[in-house]
Order: sequence, then structure tokens, then C-alpha cells
Amino acid sequence: TQLLEQSPQFLSIQEGENLTVYCNSSSVFSSLQWYRQEPGEGPVLLVTVVTGGEVKKLKRLTFQFGDARKDSSLHITAAQPGDTGLYLCAGVSWEAGGTSYGKLTFGQGTILTVHP
Amino acid sequence: EADIYQTPRYLVIGTGKKITLECSQTMGHDKMYWYQQDPGMELHLIHYSYGVNSTEKGDLSSESTVSRIRTEHFPLTLESARPSHTSQYLCASSDYGGRAADTQYFGPGTRLTVL
Repeated sequence: TQLLEQSPQFLSIQEGENLTVYCNSSSVFSSLQWYRQEPGEGPVLLVTVVTGGEVKKLKRLTFQFGDARKDSSLHITAAQPGDTGLYLCAGVSWEAGGTSYGKLTFGQGTILTVHP
Repeated sequence: EADIYQTPRYLVIGTGKKITLECSQTMGHDKMYWYQQDPGMELHLIHYSYGVNSTEKGDLSSESTVSRIRTEHFPLTLESARPSHTSQYLCASSDYGGRAADTQYFGPGTRLTVL
């Protein structure tokens, strides 16, 4: 069974601070995705990282995929109240035999609260 | 903008009732999924489908059943609801975009409370 450990579970910070969320596994994934989910809504995909060592930037968000494709991090610079939400990482793996089903294994999530 | 819809958004029912959670998508995606999520926690896959007449159980054992008679529709049914079924149920769909680009689009979810 593949597991993704996400940390921290809760993060409460002031507007303008920086933060990093970590996602670690002992398993190798084909790719890793980060989602953000707001209360009462479904998760929305932020980014997919595919190559070991890859770094992607989305405005104030920086995503990194570990060299061994087992871990990832999300760094937010100068957090704003609009960044508040549940952040979920999800490892993508593929069934042996080449089925077209990309299985997502989700981490436990990080609840981020940014205070004005 | 993803077009995937779930109804009802909220449901409060008594123990023993039969319920069906609806999920529809207008994107023509072949693959659809049902996840169960407790508040602020990870998602657990309970059912998925590759296409019409295809359904499979996910990683988390569930007493619910699903059907896929039409591409756009993937309803989930509980024959006899119990308090342990109280949770949020999320539906998603995806189209095969290659191993690196298989993106799942999620509906808003149904929050189920069984009294």
C-alpha cells in the first residue's frame, strides 16, 4: 500500500509570512499533484510535477518534486488570506499491465489559515 | 472550467433509508470516480469506472454500489444508510491525457449525515 505523509497537518500564520508544506512517501510515483480545496467544494488541481527535481512556479506558489520522485514540497511566499484552505498532495501511479487508470493516493492534507 | 455536478449538496436522513447520490459530467470523460472524505482529511477512493458498463471497487471498502449506464452519469447508491456512512462524498472525472496529464476534475461534493 502506498502512503503519503503530509506535514504539517495544521498551519496558522499571519498575512505576509512564508510557509512550506511537505509531502513524503517511501514509494516512487509517476507524478505528483497538488490540490487546494475550499470548504464545501471539491479539490481543484494546482499543479502536476512529473520529472524528478522539477520545480514549478505558480505566482507566489513554488512546487518541487524530489529527485527520487518520492517527495514534494509546496512553498508559499507572502501568504494572503485568500490562500486559506485545505492543501492536498496526491501521488499518481499506474497499475501494472498498462491500464489507463491513473490512481491517486492522497496525503492527509494541510489546513492553512492565513490571518489578515 | 470543469463541468461536473453533484446532487444533492446536503442530505440528512434517518438510519435504514435507501439513498442515491447523483453525479453528472458534461465533458465526455470516460473515467469517473467516487471518493469519501471526512472533514479536513484525505480522500479515499471507493469506486471508479473506465467507461459505460465498467465499475470497480476502490481502495476503501464501501457498502455503496455504483452504476455506469451512460457516459455522463455515475450515481452512487446506499441500500440502507447507517450513521457510519456519514461523510462527504466527492465525484470526479478524467480523460486520458497521457501519464503525466491525467487530471481529475472534482464535483462540489455531497455532505451526507445519517441520524
